[in-house]
Amino acid sequence: AQSVTQLDSQVPVFEEAPVELRCNYSSSVSVYLFWYVQYPNQGLQLLLKYLSGSTLVKGINGFEAEFNKSQTSFHLRKPSVHISDTAEYFCAVSARSNYQLIWGAGTKLIIKP
Amino acid sequence: KAGVTQTPRYLIKTRGQQVTLSCSPISGHRSVSWYQQTPGQGLQFLFEYFSETQRNKGNFPGRFSGRQFSNSRSEMNVSTLELGDSALYLCASSLDSGTTITSPLHFGNGTRLTVT
Repeated sequence: AQSVTQLDSQVPVFEEAPVELRCNYSSSVSVYLFWYVQYPNQGLQLLLKYLSGSTLVKGINGFEAEFNKSQTSFHLRKPSVHISDTAEYFCAVSARSNYQLIWGAGTKLIIKP
Repeated sequence: KAGVTQTPRYLIKTRGQQVTLSCSPISGHRSVSWYQQTPGQGLQFLFEYFSETQRNKGNFPGRFSGRQFSNSRSEMNVSTLELGDSALYLCASSLDSGTTITSPLHFGNGTRLTVT
């Protein structure tokens, strides 16, 4: 079985500063990895995904994530955040064999002006 | 293309009542999944329907049920409501079942259910 841990429930950061949201997973099989974002009062939308190939994945809105197999991590980064990035970010994993998504608990990104 | 539409947006019910939530997927999407989101438990998978058949089910009691119609629209029903059922219920659609790698989930804005 797979599991996902998002290490921080909230991350406060100043506007225009860089940010990293951490995600670690555990799995005995190969996985696919995803980051979704939920803006206030909205559903979730896909930010980026890692399926195979290059371990650095670029997504929408200037976000990127790096798959690190040895550390079983898939941390999300942005070099300079905007107030509009205020949202909750969810990391998810699915085994390559069954595709069912397992979700992390979410990290709230709080942008300080 | 219209997105995933969930109705109603907000709902207030009393303990013991039942409720039906509706989800219209993106046109052409045949898979509909339902999730419960609460501050304490995060995002929990309820079930997935594909071509009118339940394909996957999460770990929820039988009070939670769903169905999908031939036009892919889906409904979720919760009977004998409990206070703990208060949550945001999210519906997500995708092109195919079990192929989230090629067909990501598209979420609606959710139905906020409050049980008093």
